[in-house]
Amino acid sequence: GAVVSQHPSRVICKSGTSVKIECRSLDFQATTMFWYRQFPKKSLMLMATSNEGSKATYEQGVEKDKFLINHASLTLSTLTVTSAHPEDSSFYICSARDLTSNPTPYQETQYFGPGTRLLVL
Amino acid sequence: KNQVEQSPQSLIILEGKNCTLQCNYTVSPFSNLRWYKQDTGRGPVSLTIMTFSENTKSNGRYTATLDADTKQSSLHITASQLSDSASYICVVRAFSGGYNKLIFGAGTRLAVHP
Repeated sequence: GAVVSQHPSRVICKSGTSVKIECRSLDFQATTMFWYRQFPKKSLMLMATSNEGSKATYEQGVEKDKFLINHASLTLSTLTVTSAHPEDSSFYICSARDLTSNPTPYQETQYFGPGTRLLVL
Repeated sequence: KNQVEQSPQSLIILEGKNCTLQCNYTVSPFSNLRWYKQDTGRGPVSLTIMTFSENTKSNGRYTATLDADTKQSSLHITASQLSDSASYICVVRAFSGGYNKLIFGAGTRLAVHP
């Protein structure tokens, strides 16, 4: 199956600094990538939808200026947490949608990355 | 409101035993339903996908069922192994024209003990 990687896998930073997380589709082109946030023992919460070459679409309640998303190529999307605070500490997961190999929208598949654990001190 | 509810929240079973996880949804219009396995500190991995016309789908020791009329799904794990310890997430896709959105359940945390 398709592989999605994330880098770094975990990061610890000081409050006030910015952190960039990369999401790459390794063996397919992803016109759309998604960024999720997951708190301990909770389910994934969609933060934003990232479309290659255009601005990201943010979910209600997610600060655009806080979580900067760039999708400059068909295989790379980045999430930058700006001026990080301890409450931004969380598990961030990206997924990429592979439309090229799926015959119907019903079988449209999102492949998830392994996640990035962010700890802000 | 589109919702996906899973039960139980957590489950402990002994190695070799079977178990069944439940998923009820109110998502409409329904496109498909997936079960994912998420190991601690990892991203979710797809186990099965079913459309409204499919009643059952198997993937090794995992068997998912779907009743589109009652909007219920289950995931049955046979002959559990220690490596089955993980969170199992039910995800329903809402489909309406060009709009697609995944609705996630909170997951069931399964612990398999020796």
